[in-house]
Amino acid sequence: GAVVSQHPSWVICKSGTSVKIECRSLDFQATTMFWYRQFPKQSLMLMATSNEGSKATYEQGVEKDKFLINHASLTLSTLTVTSAHPEDSSFYICSASGIDRVNTEAFFGQGTRLTVV
Amino acid sequence: LAKTTQPISMDSYEGQEVNITCSHNNIATNDYITWYQQFPSQGPRFIIQGYKTKVTNEVASLFIPADRKSSTLSLPRVSLSDTAVYYCLAQSLTSGTYKYIFGTGTRLKVLA
Repeated sequence: GAVVSQHPSWVICKSGTSVKIECRSLDFQATTMFWYRQFPKQSLMLMATSNEGSKATYEQGVEKDKFLINHASLTLSTLTVTSAHPEDSSFYICSASGIDRVNTEAFFGQGTRLTVV
Repeated sequence: LAKTTQPISMDSYEGQEVNITCSHNNIATNDYITWYQQFPSQGPRFIIQGYKTKVTNEVASLFIPADRKSSTLSLPRVSLSDTAVYYCLAQSLTSGTYKYIFGTGTRLKVLA
């Protein structure tokens, strides 16, 4: 199956700093990427959808100036958490669907554990 | 967007067949039904997808009745390693892209 890789797997940062998380599709071109956030024992919450070369579409209640998403190429999307605070500590997961895959398939990365101290 | 409803949790014993039912009463014509499995601190893993009737692969079967308002994931002969959260999604087509909205999921615990 298709592989989506996230980096880093975990990161600890100081409050007030910014953190960038990368999401790469390794063996297919991802026209659309999705970013999710998951708190402990809760479901995945969709944060935003990004199409290559376009601005991301954010879900209601997600601050676009705080969670910057860039999808500049067909194999890479990045999520930058700006001015991180402890309440931003969470598990962030990306997924991707691509032009050489059936539109209904999405593949998920392994997730990034962000801890803000 | 179609909302899905699943039982919050289920327990089973090793070797048993487990059926998890999901209701999606307002599923749209273009929506597919997909099930994912998630282990702690990992991304979801695709299990199976269907549109109607029955789909089977090497790990599971998916039953979807004619009205498509519900679906049942069937896991044959579960093992301890099948302990995980299982999510049912009714993928919704929005502006030419399928969105993947997760519901609460079902926390399956397989006991020895």
